[in-house]
Amino acid sequence: GENVEQHPSTLSVQEGDSAVIKCTYSDSASNYFPWYKQELGKRPQLIIDIRSNVGEKKDQRIAVTLNKTAKHFSLHITETQPEDSAVYFCAASIRGGSQGNLIFGKGTKLSVKP
Amino acid sequence: DSGVTQTPKHLITATGQRVTLRCSPRSGDLSVYWYQQSLDQGLQFLIQYYNGEERAKGNILERFSAQQFPDLHSELNLSSLELGDSALYFCASSVGGGVTNTEAFFGQGTRLTVV
Repeated sequence: GENVEQHPSTLSVQEGDSAVIKCTYSDSASNYFPWYKQELGKRPQLIIDIRSNVGEKKDQRIAVTLNKTAKHFSLHITETQPEDSAVYFCAASIRGGSQGNLIFGKGTKLSVKP
Repeated sequence: DSGVTQTPKHLITATGQRVTLRCSPRSGDLSVYWYQQSLDQGLQFLIQYYNGEERAKGNILERFSAQQFPDLHSELNLSSLELGDSALYFCASSVGGGVTNTEAFFGQGTRLTVV
């Protein structure tokens, strides 16, 4: 079946450094790639997303890049802060029924050390 | 607050039992999605309903079933529970029939513990 692979599973950085999380997907029909942040004990929250007609999108310290040919996309966080510590999930849309759903990666636990 | 309401927040039950988890989507959202989150499996898509009808199925066990009612709230029924069913169950909702056009908002989840 379709799947999304996410690396690394854990990432530890010093405050102020950059963090990069990478995902690959298998469904060539995927056209929507959101990233969710989940703090401990809380619900996943969308932080940024990108559609297949765009190669890069930026929102303040967060950016996402997409390489459709290679079927991979990445999350970049610059100037990391302790409050960025959380589990980050990438996802890709798949064709389920007639509209599509999301398959999630297994998550990356990001720890930002002060 | 995402506007998606899940009840109960916590549930402890014994093996072999049956439970029902409830989800109220955001006002105006027609799609409801159910996800299971266990420690080692991340977020696993279970099933989606759109305007009362099943739209897509993921890795949902036969012991599990769901439905969406006319008022658009949804229930996930888990039966013959096993220890391995212990997990956090999330409901999400979106306006349209799929996530490719609209954002999916997650509820706070129901933590199910099977003992």
